[in-house]
Amino acid sequence: DAGVIQSPRHEVTEMGQEVTLRCKPISGHDYLFWYRQTMMRGLELLIYFNNNVPIDDSGMPEDRFSAKMPNASFSTLKIQPSEPRDSAVYFCASARGLGTGELFFGEGSRLTVL
Amino acid sequence: GQQLNQSPQSMFIQEGEDVSMNCTSSSIFNTWLWYKQDPGEGPVLLIALYKAGELTSNGRLTAQFGITRKDSFLNISASIPSDVGIYFCAGQRSNAGNMLTFGGGTRLMVKP
Repeated sequence: DAGVIQSPRHEVTEMGQEVTLRCKPISGHDYLFWYRQTMMRGLELLIYFNNNVPIDDSGMPEDRFSAKMPNASFSTLKIQPSEPRDSAVYFCASARGLGTGELFFGEGSRLTVL
Repeated sequence: GQQLNQSPQSMFIQEGEDVSMNCTSSSIFNTWLWYKQDPGEGPVLLIALYKAGELTSNGRLTAQFGITRKDSFLNISASIPSDVGIYFCAGQRSNAGNMLTFGGGTRLMVKP
């Protein structure tokens, strides 16, 4: 079975450019999460969706960040305009439910903003 | 917000040695989980603990849910090179929407 699929795996861009990260969750999973990982702050939850509806976006750093889930098999995380401090690994994860605590993570998208 | 204090931050050990790492919190959790992140990959669940005092094994890994519900530890016996990675503890609280709070991670390096 396919796991969570993220693209791109790596992106290098210049400050001010728009960045779009993509995620395809595991089929049948009702929850989708976007995390950011940095050395300084570890794994931070940015936003999560339940049945394509954003439930909690309190972790989104600022208005430059936005996330959408137009259908059950696709989500995007957009940064516009990007800044060097946005450089991090961004993970998408999905889960069938929340009861067990088991999240299935993608391989991540490593973003470098110059 | 609530924090999980995970220690040690990093370990460099010889192959064959046992490893111990732990996680503590000032808050009570209903569930403790341990994830492992291989280099260049996303975290993968290793062990989940659902009851205070529970001791669970998964191969060479053993984890315990502290009796106070504020801590957990993970032991790895007879380490091998493929144990290299970052180990994360995570706590889950039902009155926090079952969202996970992750520790800062323990980076494990194993010398063959």
